[in-house]
This record gives sequence, C-alpha cells and structure tokens, in this order.
Amino acid sequence: EAQVTQNPRYLITVTGKKLTVTCSQNMNHEYMSWYRQDPGLGLRQIYYSMNVEVTDKGDVPEGYKVSRKEKRNFPLILESPSPNQTSLYFCASSLSSSGGPTQYFGPGTRLLVL
Amino acid sequence: GENVEQHPSTLSVQEGDSAVIKCTYSDSASNYFPWYKQELGKRPQLIIDIRSNVGEKKDQRIAVTLNKTAKHFSLHITETQPEDSAVYFCAASPTGTASKLTFGTGTRLQVTL
Repeated sequence: EAQVTQNPRYLITVTGKKLTVTCSQNMNHEYMSWYRQDPGLGLRQIYYSMNVEVTDKGDVPEGYKVSRKEKRNFPLILESPSPNQTSLYFCASSLSSSGGPTQYFGPGTRLLVL
Repeated sequence: GENVEQHPSTLSVQEGDSAVIKCTYSDSASNYFPWYKQELGKRPQLIIDIRSNVGEKKDQRIAVTLNKTAKHFSLHITETQPEDSAVYFCAASPTGTASKLTFGTGTRLQVTL
C-alpha cells in the first residue's frame, strides 16, 4: 500500500530535550516536505527536499533541522525544543513535476513541549 | 516570499447550495495552485489543482478558476453535500510542483441539512 508514515504519532517532551520525528514513504517520491499546522495559521512549510542530499528552507525553518540521506526517509530534528514548537506536524511527499505534483500527507505527529 | 490570503475563514451553506472560497497570492512567479481538503482529525488531501497556463479546471462538482492578472484563484463547490464539510486550504507554488508550497489559513466549510 502506497503511504507516508510518521513516528511517533503523539509526543510529550520537555524544553531542551532533543527529539526526532521520522518520516518514511514507499512511493519512490523525489520530493518530501515538513509542515506544521497551528490554529488560525494553516499549514506552514518548515523544510523541503527535492532529492537525496538536497534540502531547502521553507517559511518557518528556525529551530528545526532535517536530513535526506535516503530517498525514502526525511526525519525532522528539534535539537532544543521550546514550547512555541508545540504543534501538529505533517510530513508529505510528491512525485517530480513530470509525474504529477500530487502531494501525499502522512497521518501527523502531535507534539507538546512543556 | 510568497503570501497567500484566503477568505472567508468560515462558511456555512445549506445542502444543495454552492460554496465559493477565494485566495489571493503575492508572488507573480507562482504558477501552481492546489486545493486541499482536511476533514476533522485527518490529514490534508489534494482535491484539485490548476497551473498558470489554464484559466479554469473542473472535476465533477468542484472547479477552480485562476486570474493571473489579478493574482487570485477560487474554489467552487456546487450542489454541496454534508460530506463536503471540512477545512479547505489553498496554496501557491513558484516551482510548478508541490515541493515549495505556501498555504492559505484555511476555510471551515459547514454544510447544513
């Protein structure tokens, strides 16, 4: 089954404790992205990747890191989480433009930073 | 960077009526405009998209129109049904793909019986 998976789905942590949210897709997609969703602000792109070892900042990259060492995985790293990073996070992947730009979202990770 | 404004933030229509959601964008380089539907507690899903070389696109009860000169695009849902109730997001991309997307803040559509 074609899908994007994220882990964990729910996470409660404390300020300053490093964490990683994993994202994996099995569709051989080139593009992958991370978004955060906050009430009244919609979805805001954190980072995106157009291929292995190619990443770029989205609209709200501060406080986050990403890596793309393999095509299927695109982990989101919060090295020193703060309460303002409490949010719902979505990973997404899509084909290259030649294959159609439909973006598939993962199920979301709800993060609470105390 | 790109800025996308979306209106209205909430919309209530009666079943069978039409619903229209409007978005404006700021970056004239944007050339790909998708619309996503997000049901309560679910992930966003693409429902329709349009590229800048097309003025209108239709898929059954939903349609999207684009006015590049005015930098605005709209989602039209006809013959609304209760299952259309959800939050709808517009987005714009300067790369022509879904890789770099700026989203609007969303419209909560409620279809009442």
